[in-house]
Amino acid sequence: GENVEQHPSTLSVQEGDSAVIKCTYSDSASNYFPWYKQELGKGPQLIIDIRSNVGEKKDQRIAVTLNKTAKHFSLHITETQPEDSAVYFCAASIHNAGNMLTFGGGTRLMVKP
Amino acid sequence: DTGVSQDPRHKITKRGQNVTFRCDPISEHNRLYWYRQTLGQGPEFLTYFQNEAQLEKSRLLSDRFSAERPKGSFSTLEIQRTEQGDSAMYLCASSRYNYEQYFGPGTRLTVT
Repeated sequence: GENVEQHPSTLSVQEGDSAVIKCTYSDSASNYFPWYKQELGKGPQLIIDIRSNVGEKKDQRIAVTLNKTAKHFSLHITETQPEDSAVYFCAASIHNAGNMLTFGGGTRLMVKP
Repeated sequence: DTGVSQDPRHKITKRGQNVTFRCDPISEHNRLYWYRQTLGQGPEFLTYFQNEAQLEKSRLLSDRFSAERPKGSFSTLEIQRTEQGDSAMYLCASSRYNYEQYFGPGTRLTVT
C-alpha cells in the first residue's frame, strides 16, 4: 500500500520568513496530493491540493510543487504569520480509485512573532 | 454553518462498552469517509461510502468496528467491546465523488 513520509516533524520560523515542508510517497499510481492544516481540537482543514498533471500550484502565500519522477511534493508558505502556526499534513491518494487518503506524520509549524 | 458535523464531540466510556458516533456530511456530498487519528499521528483511513454503499471496509481495524450509511445521508461508526487502544480522534470527511474531502471536527474517544 501507499506510504507517505513527511519532514520535518517540527519547524520553527520567524514571522515573515518562509516555511517549507516536504513529503515523499511510495506508490507511483498516486495522482492526488492535498495538504491540510489542523489546529488544536479541530479537524483537518484543506488548504491546497495538486493533481499529478500539474507541477506547481499557488494560492496567495501558499504554493505546492510536485516532482512525479522523484515521488515527492512540497508545501511552501511565504511571509509566515503567527496564525499560520498549526500542524500541517500532506496526503496522497489515487484519485479515481476511491480517493482514500494516506497521510504523512505531520509537521508542527511554529511562527514566532 | 453547512460543514461536516460530528456528534458527540467527546465520549468517555469504560472498557468493554459499545459506542456509536454520528457524522452528517455536507448536504450535496455523496461520499463519506471515516478516519482515525491517534495523538501525534496523521489520520488513518478506515472506510468509505458512496451514497449508501460501503465501497471499502477492509481497513476497519477489527471486526469490532462497523459503519453504516442507511439512507445515503448521515453515517454512524460503531465500536463494540471497546479497548483502551481504541482511544483516539475519529474523523469524518465528505466529498462530491472524487473531489476534495472536507473534514468534520472529530469525536474524541477516551476508553478508561
